[in-house]
Amino acid sequence: QSVLTQPPSASGTPGQRVTISCSGSSSNIGSNIVNWYQQFPGTAPKLLIFINNQRPSGVPDRFSGSRSGASASLAISGLQSEDEADYYCASWDDSLNGVVFGGGTKLTVL
Amino acid sequence: QVQLQESGPGLVKPSQTLSLTCSVSGDSISSDSYYWSWIRQPAGKGLEWIGRAYSSGSTNYNSSLKSRVTISVDRSKNQFSLKLSSVTAADTAVYYCARDRGQWLGNYYYYYKDVWGKGTTVTVSS
Repeated sequence: QSVLTQPPSASGTPGQRVTISCSGSSSNIGSNIVNWYQQFPGTAPKLLIFINNQRPSGVPDRFSGSRSGASASLAISGLQSEDEADYYCASWDDSLNGVVFGGGTKLTVL
Repeated sequence: QVQLQESGPGLVKPSQTLSLTCSVSGDSISSDSYYWSWIRQPAGKGLEWIGRAYSSGSTNYNSSLKSRVTISVDRSKNQFSLKLSSVTAADTAVYYCARDRGQWLGNYYYYYKDVWGKGTTVTVSS
């Protein structure tokens, strides 16, 4: 059972806008920043969004992040087939004094 | 360009100690604003944070693993290591090392894992 809650799956058709939620509590997302990671099968995770809504160099602006209260969201607009991957949210938890991950969301492009 | 590379035995016997090393190239492990982390992922499952170490030696560990984990930094070799004792089959996973970059925001440093190793598979079996 992950400390941060994500839907196990999400889907959309090419060109659509998809959002993936990440729900936490006052000890993590409610008081700390959220980062998002993208992982393709058999490869290491890659930083997608950092500090709630910042994109590293090279990440398309189709990807955006937001945080409100104890929840966060990752939005992907203009969905493309190459976006099919697993997505993980992460935050620091003040009570656990450590990093917590969401359980991950498998995105399927129909 | 910073690169991280995990190395260590791919097979560990139950009750023994798992030992992995992460070699850092393209940057100094002594640089300010970085923590050095270990994360693992059992087959078909999600990511689990194991812990992190600063170049000064200070550490933070996952509370569920804390009694068995040691993460240390070797500045002379520009690498950091993970030791996990008393392993069981539940410790079988792909183990990743990562760099946590810090950014000053308001009154705090906030961290995110901006560079990851490719991962190494460790199986616990007799």
